[in-house]
Amino acid sequence: KAGVTQTPRYLIKTRGQQVTLSCSPISGHRSVSWYQQTPGQGLQFLFEYFSETQRNKGNFPGRFSGRQFSNSRSEMNVSTLELGDSALYLCASSLENLQETQYFGPGTRLLVL
Amino acid sequence: GQNIDQPTEMTATEGAIVQINCTYQTSGFNGLFWYQQHAGEAPTFLSYNVLDGLEEKGRFSSFLSRSKGYSYLLLKELQMKDSASYLCAVTGFQKLVFGTGTRLLVSP
Repeated sequence: KAGVTQTPRYLIKTRGQQVTLSCSPISGHRSVSWYQQTPGQGLQFLFEYFSETQRNKGNFPGRFSGRQFSNSRSEMNVSTLELGDSALYLCASSLENLQETQYFGPGTRLLVL
Repeated sequence: GQNIDQPTEMTATEGAIVQINCTYQTSGFNGLFWYQQHAGEAPTFLSYNVLDGLEEKGRFSSFLSRSKGYSYLLLKELQMKDSASYLCAVTGFQKLVFGTGTRLLVSP
């Protein structure tokens, strides 16, 4: 089976812009979750999607949003980018929920200038 | 809320044994994961403990004490390729919370 894929792998944006990141889960996996990883804060949970619905949400502002499509692919959007949004954004998938092993994609490295 | 503590960095020599500790305080607990993350790569699954006790998987073992809010990852016969960050993560109340990770440096 192919692993979790994320596009793009690298992005450079400027403050105030918006960005959309894409994640394709492992075939058959219906739970997709998103994380932000920075050197200071580590891996922080953004949200989880299941059956096209956001099921869980971390403590991030409303500028961070996402959606999931019927084929379980997911997108994450960040609006009005800030310098502090520079980070590695990781997507992970599992069969059903967060209590199972999460399989991570390679991540999208976002740099906000 | 949930709080997870791990040492920031540890060093060890090839062939040795190292224990990476993780303590947590949570308002809900289902289980505890350990993930390994090499620099520039995605985290990969190592272990998942739900019940108290030791789970052994080859050179790696993981221990959990739910009453003490404590876990450790034990790495035996260290190899250079074990140099990586080790992330402890707690799942509960439909959230997955990661610690900031322990960077392990293995020297010859």
